[in-house]
Amino acid sequence: GESVGLHLPTLSVQEGDNSIINCAYSNSASDYFIWYKQESGKGPQFIIDIRSNMDKRQGQRVTVLLNKTVKHLSLQIAATQPGDSAIYFCAETGSYKLIFGSGTRLLVRP
Amino acid sequence: DTAVSQTPKYLVTQMGNDKSIKCEQNLGHDTMYWYKQDSKKFLKIMFSYNNKELIINETVPNRFSPKSPDKAHLNLHINSLELGDSAVYFCASSQDNRGNGELFFGEGSRLTVL
Repeated sequence: GESVGLHLPTLSVQEGDNSIINCAYSNSASDYFIWYKQESGKGPQFIIDIRSNMDKRQGQRVTVLLNKTVKHLSLQIAATQPGDSAIYFCAETGSYKLIFGSGTRLLVRP
Repeated sequence: DTAVSQTPKYLVTQMGNDKSIKCEQNLGHDTMYWYKQDSKKFLKIMFSYNNKELIINETVPNRFSPKSPDKAHLNLHINSLELGDSAVYFCASSQDNRGNGELFFGEGSRLTVL
C-alpha cells in the first residue's frame, strides 16, 4: 500500500550546522512532494515542494532533493537555527490526497 | 486575519458524549480537509470536501460526520466519543482538489476523551 516513512525519528544538531532530514516513499507514481514543518502546538506549515520532473529545488536556507530511482526525498536546512526546532514531515500526493510520513523531530542545540 | 481557523482549540469530554469541531477558511479555496494526528504525531487524512461535496472518506467510523454548509466551512461532528478518539484534529484547505498543491492548516483542536 501507500506509505511514506522517515529513517530518523529524532535529529539533534548544533546551532549553525546543516541539517539533513530524510524520507523514503513507496508510491513510484507520486508526482508531487512537500515538506512541512510543525512547531509545538501549531498546525503544519509549508516549507518547500518539488515535482517529480525535478531532482532539486532550493528555497531560503532549505533545499529539497528528490531521487526517484530509490524513491528518496531529503530536506537540507543550512545554518540551522533554534527556530528550526520542530517536527518535519514529508508528504506525497496519491489518489487525490496528501499522504504524510511519520515525521522527524529536529532538535537544535545552542 | 487567520486563513484557516478552527474551534475549539481544546476540548475535554466524557466517553459517550457527542461533540463538534468547527472550521472556517477565508482563502477562497474550494477544497477542505480533516486530518487526525495521534499521540505519535502521525497525520492521517479523514475526509476531504470539494465545494461542499464529499471527495474522500478514509474508512472513518460512522460516528464521525463531516458537514459542509458552504465551501468556506467544514465542521466535524463526532457521536458516542471513545477513548481512542483522543487526538489533535486539523482542518486544512487547498486550492487544488487533487491533492496536488499546498495545504493550509489550522492550529488544531486537541480532543481529550476521559
